Amino acid sequence: DAGVIQSPRHEVTEMGQEVTLRCKPISGHDYLFWYRQTMMRGLELLIYFNNNVPIDDSGMPEDRFSAKMPNASFSTLKIQPSEPRDSAVYFCASTPVLRVGINTEAFFGQGTRLTVV
Amino acid sequence: KQEVTQIPAALSVPEGENLVLNCSFTDSAIYNLQWFRQDPGKGLTSLLLIQSSQREQTSGRLNASLDKSSGRSTLYIAASQPGDSATYLCAVRGAQKLVFGQGTRLTINP
Repeated sequence: DAGVIQSPRHEVTEMGQEVTLRCKPISGHDYLFWYRQTMMRGLELLIYFNNNVPIDDSGMPEDRFSAKMPNASFSTLKIQPSEPRDSAVYFCASTPVLRVGINTEAFFGQGTRLTVV
Repeated sequence: KQEVTQIPAALSVPEGENLVLNCSFTDSAIYNLQWFRQDPGKGLTSLLLIQSSQREQTSGRLNASLDKSSGRSTLYIAASQPGDSATYLCAVRGAQKLVFGQGTRLTINP
């Protein structure tokens, strides 16, 4: 497997524009996590899915943020409208189901560096 | 709510020293704990995973221990090298969530 794949790697957009970040988890993994990383706040969990169902979105900062997982191999994080304070690196991670005897290691994508000007 | 703390926030040591990074967590009902390394401007690289039933894991010069009852984990790096310079993050997995500490920024001086 190629690992967790995120696109784009870099995104520069103007304030007010819609931004869509994409993630392809590792095949067979049941959990998908979206994180935001900034110097000030470190890694913040935004939302996570189990079997394509959103379980906890309490970390989503505002209604401008939304996430979907239409199938097991694809998820999106959308910001609309974007603001300069959304500038950060956004990471996606996936893990297998939590089960005794299963290696439940989390794997991360390379991240999307978002700059809103 | 699980909270994860890493101390110190930054550490600078001369090459060759053995060192210990600390991670503490507030809720001992964890499934596993994972240590990551992050180089500047890069993604997260998994170093070691400790299941809740385990006490330690080793990989090369790295050894991670877990004391679930006291809510602590340590990452021991033996014979440090300049290439070990990076930010080290610990992450605690509860029933479902994966929660990170703020990281320790490590600098190994030649």
